[in-house]
Amino acid sequence: GQQVMQIPQYQHVQEGEDFTTYCNSSTTLSNIQWYKQRPGGHPVFLIQLVKSGEVKKQKRLTFQFGEAKKNSSLHITATQTTDVGTYFCAGSGSGYSTLTFGKGTMLLVSP
Amino acid sequence: DAGVIQSPRHEVTEMGQEVTLRCKPISGHDYLFWYRQTMMRGLELLIYFNNNVPIDDSGMPEDRFSAKMPNASFSTLKIQPSEPRDSAVYFCASSYQRTSYEQYFGPGTRLTVT
Repeated sequence: GQQVMQIPQYQHVQEGEDFTTYCNSSTTLSNIQWYKQRPGGHPVFLIQLVKSGEVKKQKRLTFQFGEAKKNSSLHITATQTTDVGTYFCAGSGSGYSTLTFGKGTMLLVSP
Repeated sequence: DAGVIQSPRHEVTEMGQEVTLRCKPISGHDYLFWYRQTMMRGLELLIYFNNNVPIDDSGMPEDRFSAKMPNASFSTLKIQPSEPRDSAVYFCASSYQRTSYEQYFGPGTRLTVT
């Protein structure tokens, strides 16, 4: 079945440093979504990428979808303590109904 | 809208007991998903419904687990009998896939089986 791998599992940064998490799929994806889960909370949708090579920005967050539609990345510029949480990528194969979630990258930001 | 509603938020039960988790999706959403989250296995899809019909239950771990969606505004996930390895956070999510594929998650039910 489809597998989605995420690295790193965990990253601890100082406030103001940049952060990147990477996502790789065993199969070509029709789309990829990113979610954020705060400690003790539930996953919250951030963005969806559909096109090969697509790049989207949300303030300090930059999302990329690889040319082969098998990998993706999330980059946060100048992290803030409010960025703390676990970031998940989730991919969908043919059709859009279901998502396969990566294990997530836990981000800790020290002030 | 109040978002996806789940109850109870916390459940502690003894091994062998029946557990029923409840979910009310966002009104108008046509897909409903049940997930289980653990440290070891991450976020796993258990089953999903489209227009109240179960589409894929291949993620349900075993026959002790069952899910129903009797109408568009209510779904249940039942575990009978429960075992300690069922301890996890169970999330319900819904989406409206005619316009968007993002999933809206409920707050989750933290289940502890002793």
